Amino acid sequence: KAGVTQTPRYLIKTRGQQVTLSCSPISGHRSVSWYQQTPGQGLQFLFEYFSETQRNKGNFPGRFSGRQFSNSRSEMNVSTLELGDSALYLCASSLDPGAGELFFGEGSRLTVL
Amino acid sequence: QQQVKQSPQSLIVQKGGISIINCAYENTAFDYFPWYQQFPGKGPALLIAIRPDVSEKKEGRFTISFNKSAKQFSLHIMDSQPGDSATYFCAASKGSARQLTFGSGTQLTVLP
Repeated sequence: KAGVTQTPRYLIKTRGQQVTLSCSPISGHRSVSWYQQTPGQGLQFLFEYFSETQRNKGNFPGRFSGRQFSNSRSEMNVSTLELGDSALYLCASSLDPGAGELFFGEGSRLTVL
Repeated sequence: QQQVKQSPQSLIVQKGGISIINCAYENTAFDYFPWYQQFPGKGPALLIAIRPDVSEKKEGRFTISFNKSAKQFSLHIMDSQPGDSATYFCAASKGSARQLTFGSGTQLTVLP
């Protein structure tokens, strides 16, 4: 069974640009969550999606957004990139919200220059 | 406001020794406490999790001890192995949400 797949794995952007990251959950998983990991702030929750609806949102500015498609695949978007947005962005999936284990992907490492 | 405090930041243990990592939480609404292991270049992977209705849970060499009154929980790794060298994160969440609040992480090094 394939794990959580995130693309791209690495990307470099410049300040002011925008970026879209993609996540394919484990087959059969309907809930997708996104986390940001940085050396300074650690792992922080961004948002959670289930049935194409955002269920929860962390304490991030509106420049961070996401969506989920009918096949449970998810994307997150960061607009007007800032240097501080450089991070590892992790996607995690689970069968249902609040049910069972969260399975994380290997992440998309974003560098903002 | 950091809601889950983790210590120590780093830990060095000899092979065969016991590794102990501690976490303390503030929000009494938390009812799910997982521990994650992360290797360089990989995403976190769930090791073991506990709910507050039990005081201890053991899976192989990994044990969670939970003290509800003190709002503390800890991970014990028995017979630590070099392959256990990784970063360990405690976390907590409430209700049915999978909005995990993570601790700051402990970098464990097990010397051969």
